[in-house]
Amino acid sequence: KNEVEQSPQNLTAQEGEFITINCSYSVGISALHWLQQHPGGGIVSLFMLSSGKKKHGRLIATINIQEKHSSLHITASHPRDSAVYICAVNTGNQFYFGTGTSLTVIP
Amino acid sequence: EAGVTQSPTHLIKTRGQQVTLRCSPISGHTSVYWYQQALGLGLQFLLWYDEGEERNRGNFPPRFSGRQFPNYSSELNVNALELEDSALYLCASSSDRFTQYFGPGTRLTVL
Repeated sequence: KNEVEQSPQNLTAQEGEFITINCSYSVGISALHWLQQHPGGGIVSLFMLSSGKKKHGRLIATINIQEKHSSLHITASHPRDSAVYICAVNTGNQFYFGTGTSLTVIP
Repeated sequence: EAGVTQSPTHLIKTRGQQVTLRCSPISGHTSVYWYQQALGLGLQFLLWYDEGEERNRGNFPPRFSGRQFPNYSSELNVNALELEDSALYLCASSSDRFTQYFGPGTRLTVL
């Protein structure tokens, strides 16, 4: 069993749709990260969370420590949001990664 | 401020050869992390260096090794290359062990 599970694996949305990507983890963590990986491999760190909710532009990330669950929301999705979104958890000693959610936003 | 840099960007090797990948962290960052992303698989943690010392390693065989230099740059060495070592190798640096900044990666192809 993976320490970090993401769903869905693949997601196709129409431009403008509200998108939710989910992440569940099974280990004790000090922080959870949401990463964005574009074709070609470049990775950008979107959020680091240890509690509550963070918002940056059209992106919102939430975490429920008790339920060991986090969600990444994208409002008013745009084709440039097309990428792989990866959930990662930091246990203090190591990082564990989900396998990613591949998002395609169609104009 | 310059970001994390990695070299080379692409590399082709044959089975049994050895390879060295390099990473320069953001100035002031003392931690360097190495990750492997094989085709179709998620990121896998390889190694973590902090202040010149190896702090932790993932579930990889000993032929994966590395080091961190006094200027906090780092090398990842892979000996006796196997076909399944073909992957994108990503380096990330951090100043606080929490927020990581990723480099562009080195794509290694083993033939």
